[in-house]
Amino acid sequence: DTAVSQTPKYLVTQMGNDKSIKCEQNLGHDTMYWYKQDSKKFLKIMFSYNNKELIINETVPNRFSPKSPDKAHLNLHINSLELGDSAVYFCASSSLTGNIQYFGAGTRLSVL
Amino acid sequence: KNEVEQSPQNLTAQEGEFITINCSYSVGISALHWLQQHPGGGIVSLFMLSSGKKKHGRLIATINIQEKHSSLHITASHPRDSAVYICAVSSGGSNYKLTFGKGTLLTVNP
Repeated sequence: DTAVSQTPKYLVTQMGNDKSIKCEQNLGHDTMYWYKQDSKKFLKIMFSYNNKELIINETVPNRFSPKSPDKAHLNLHINSLELGDSAVYFCASSSLTGNIQYFGAGTRLSVL
Repeated sequence: KNEVEQSPQNLTAQEGEFITINCSYSVGISALHWLQQHPGGGIVSLFMLSSGKKKHGRLIATINIQEKHSSLHITASHPRDSAVYICAVSSGGSNYKLTFGKGTLLTVNP
């Protein structure tokens, strides 16, 4: 059973569309994260939730809205997609904020 | 200048060689993380450390808090060690975000 699972693995869409990426963890962790990896493979934190509450919002455009219905899920919704949103998005979780993080396999988003 | 600097950017080694990847950081931290990203894209946490040294199999991570420097060593390297190795720091307080280095691409040739 995959510890942190993201769907979909690949997402190809047109500019201006709205899309969602789902993330679920079965590790019983309290904290979940979204990271963006750009074309140069540089990783950057986007959001972090602890027990369904937002604790980090790293100057991400408000077209990106995370939603945590419960502590096992952290979904990422993106409105009005732009070319610059093309990247790989990783979800991760940890047991306490700052502890070792477990990553999902990533979602490769391509905006055409 | 990035808060976390890694060197080298690229490293090619022959199987069996001893590998060292370096990480320097410029901010106060609560912990330093080493991560591995395989060619397929998945990311795995290797170590989290705030002092001293940790060992797991052929991998050893050390940190010197005074010098703000960490090293990742791989002994008896193998082609399956080929991956990108990423250093990241967490700053603690109420904000445990990870700040990442740009990664070191390691290629181990048979």
